[in-house]
Amino acid sequence: AQRVTQPEKLLSVFKGAPVELKCNYSYSGSPELFWYVQYSRQRLQLLLRHISRESIKGFTADLNKGETSFHLKKPFAQEEDSAMYYCALFSYNAGNMLTFGGGTRLMVKP
Amino acid sequence: DSGVTQTPKHLITATGQRVTLRCSPRSGDLSVYWYQQSLDQGLQFLIQYYNGEERAKGNILERFSAQQFPDLHSELNLSSLELGDSALYFCASSMGTGGRIQYFGAGTRLSVL
Repeated sequence: AQRVTQPEKLLSVFKGAPVELKCNYSYSGSPELFWYVQYSRQRLQLLLRHISRESIKGFTADLNKGETSFHLKKPFAQEEDSAMYYCALFSYNAGNMLTFGGGTRLMVKP
Repeated sequence: DSGVTQTPKHLITATGQRVTLRCSPRSGDLSVYWYQQSLDQGLQFLIQYYNGEERAKGNILERFSAQQFPDLHSELNLSSLELGDSALYFCASSMGTGGRIQYFGAGTRLSVL
């Protein structure tokens, strides 16, 4: 069965510092991975997907199949990046479903 | 605003009771997904409906059931409630059956006392 692990429940950094939110997955097929974000008092929303290989709000994420990881990175954190971040894996194996990690709360201090 | 509407926002009830949570998807979306978010379990997929039919099932208890109506809104029924059912219940929608990009509602916070 697929599984997504986000080892850090809380990550606290200072403004301007680099950020890396870790995500590891286990999946027998070809993975499709996503990062969703939930800002305070807002809904969960898509941040980026590995297929598009784009940078959103300065964030990037590279799929590393060898390490089964999809870490989210930003070189210089901003206070407005403070939010809950969820890594998610899409699979057809058990129906069309997103499996979410436990989430990491990012706090960017001034 | 993502367009997914969930009601009610908050629900307080007692153990053993039954509640119904409602979700209206974005206009044009045919799939509805239900998730449970609790402190110790994170965001767990419960069930998906597509155009009125059950499409995928996750970790949904037998005490829970869902349906999607002809107007595409969906209801999640939770019965014989236990303290451990207290959680945030999210609904999400997507256009097709593939739920890679899902649009989430604001959630219903259920408190079982």
